[in-house]
Amino acid sequence: DVKVTQSSRYLVKRTGEKVFLECVQDMDHENMFWYRQDPGLGLRLIYFSYDVKMKEKGDIPEGYSVSREKKERFSLILESASTNQTSMYLCASGGVKGDSYEQYFGPGTRLTVT
Amino acid sequence: DQQVKQNSPSLSVQEGRISILNCDYTNSMFDYFLWYKKYPAEGPTFLISISSIKDKNEDGRFTVFLNKSAKHLSLHIVPSQPGDSAVYFCAASARNYGQNFVFGPGTRLSVLP
Repeated sequence: DVKVTQSSRYLVKRTGEKVFLECVQDMDHENMFWYRQDPGLGLRLIYFSYDVKMKEKGDIPEGYSVSREKKERFSLILESASTNQTSMYLCASGGVKGDSYEQYFGPGTRLTVT
Repeated sequence: DQQVKQNSPSLSVQEGRISILNCDYTNSMFDYFLWYKKYPAEGPTFLISISSIKDKNEDGRFTVFLNKSAKHLSLHIVPSQPGDSAVYFCAASARNYGQNFVFGPGTRLSVLP
């Protein structure tokens, strides 16, 4: 069974704090993704990684950084959290399967920045 | 400019009937398409995918149709069940873009008993 896990379901941080969100997948997928979901805006891609130590900016990378030191782990870092980063953060992993592609999501981390 | 559109924000269907969820895209480079469903307070669940070399893919009650010339895909759920009530997202990607998936805004499906 596919499994993408995220380190926390709920997180409350103060403005200016450094925040680490961890994601681990067990599907040996090459690609991993970090999204945020906000009401009325759908899912927006922050960063993705197509290989270890490789990363690409998504649609809204400002204020975030990522780290992928191992294939199964992809971390999202908020260097200095701000209130506009209060959101639901979703990690996903994906890879080619046959002649198509599969992508699976973690349960999400609801981050509140006060 | 939205590259992936789901023009119906909501849809209501009677239990047992067919649900048809539609998605349009503008980027002709997209070659992979996925459908997800999402329950409140949970992450999206992968449902079914299709690549541009096919025009149909089936998995149980779920069938996805792709019309490349119209840049349109649809998800059919037959028969619809109350447990199918959720928000459904379509997503599109181009291999050359490193599987950077672009999501539509979602359609809320309500299956009425």
